[in-house]
Amino acid sequence: GAGVSQSPSNKVTEKGKDVELRCDPISGHTALYWYRQSLGQGLEFLIYFQGNSAPDKSGLPSDRFSAERTGGSVSTLTIQRTQQEDSAVYLCASSLRRSGYGYTFGSGTRLTVV
Amino acid sequence: AQKITQTQPGMFVQEKEAVTLDCTYDTSDQSYGLFWYKQPSSGEMIFLIYQGSYDEQNATEGRYSLNFQKARKSANLVISASQLGDSAMYFCAMREGPGSGGSNYKLTFGKGTLLTVNP
Repeated sequence: GAGVSQSPSNKVTEKGKDVELRCDPISGHTALYWYRQSLGQGLEFLIYFQGNSAPDKSGLPSDRFSAERTGGSVSTLTIQRTQQEDSAVYLCASSLRRSGYGYTFGSGTRLTVV
Repeated sequence: AQKITQTQPGMFVQEKEAVTLDCTYDTSDQSYGLFWYKQPSSGEMIFLIYQGSYDEQNATEGRYSLNFQKARKSANLVISASQLGDSAMYFCAMREGPGSGGSNYKLTFGKGTLLTVNP
């Protein structure tokens, strides 16, 4: 696609439920990143994919968070047993290769846990 | 300590005037990169400008320029001739370590400045 696509754009879920957030990167981009933006905060790094493998998961806040990437393309971030503190905007980004010069972000998924 | 500090939660500017958004950073690395992103209400993070720590000239991209003062660890964004469409959140971010080789890719973001351009 022309840009990084994320779905859904908004998700409201009840506390304790599992949610899946999807990211479709720019075609051909091998590197994919997930960030989280909590209210009034900057973005915080969650996980980095190179192809289908995740060499850096250091930002995942707990074992309730997991992510996978298939076919070197679409990535899914899964949050199990959601908590209210998980409410945030989850942003995905991709780059042609692992990049220290920035990357292209999607519009994010706004997750609200009630 | 905060690695990226944006001290202005909100700024107002009149259309067609220039505005400076402040950013200070903290790193012990000699090689690093500084970024500014714009986030309109749609939520997408839009890359504006990049400054490498070894770049001697201040970066410029159209109406955007980065006032890089290395000794002060300051990387302020200057927007000239503000437009109504410039109203958005602006984030300063830093990559620590060299960008070449792709070994450093994590960006650390500040908390942002909400810019409002008044007609």
